Amino acid sequence: QKEVEQNSGPLSVPEGAIASLNCTYSDRGSQSFFWYRQYSGKSPELIMSIYSNGDKEDGRFTAQLNKASQYVSLLIRDSQPSDSATYLCAVNMVYTGNQFYFGTGTSLTVIP
Amino acid sequence: DAGITQSPRHKVTETGTPVTLRCHQTENHRYMYWYRQDPGHGLRLIHYSYGVKDTDKGEVSDGYSVSRSKTEDFLLTLESATSSQTSVYFCAIRAGRVYEQYFGPGTRLTVT
Repeated sequence: QKEVEQNSGPLSVPEGAIASLNCTYSDRGSQSFFWYRQYSGKSPELIMSIYSNGDKEDGRFTAQLNKASQYVSLLIRDSQPSDSATYLCAVNMVYTGNQFYFGTGTSLTVIP
Repeated sequence: DAGITQSPRHKVTETGTPVTLRCHQTENHRYMYWYRQDPGHGLRLIHYSYGVKDTDKGEVSDGYSVSRSKTEDFLLTLESATSSQTSVYFCAIRAGRVYEQYFGPGTRLTVT
């Protein structure tokens, strides 16, 4: 089992819809969770971090964390074509000295 | 890009030749990281540094060495490049209250 798992997609949503991206992780001791956006040919860009159970909202983005289920998700409301990218989930694994483990990413396409 | 630069940005080299990639940061961050990114594998940690002359191995360290003689510079060396080391290499720094990582622009390395 991989430390961090994401559905690779591709995920396609129409413009204006809600995009839902999911991630599961294996280390129950993990404390911090991150979502990165990566455009093709570019470096990953941090868009959200979350460390408490529940929801965290930032503009059109909402991160949701459920530590009991070892599950973190990212919702993108009012999706725009500019949101088309690969979204990477990262988990700060305590048992490895706070190293990050990344999922393989979910490719999102927002159709105009 | 959190004041991170990488050089070179692109490199083509032959099997068996040594290669050194450089990561430079301007904000005095203690932790620096080298990752490689490959299709189907996502981002994987090669080596990281937690101070001048303090380094440790990551998940995929075989065939790579690192050095950090100054806070601002973290070098990644492939002693004898192989085709399996063809990849995109990202440098990152750790910052922030929940240890977020921020990435440099990346180096695309091709070993022929």
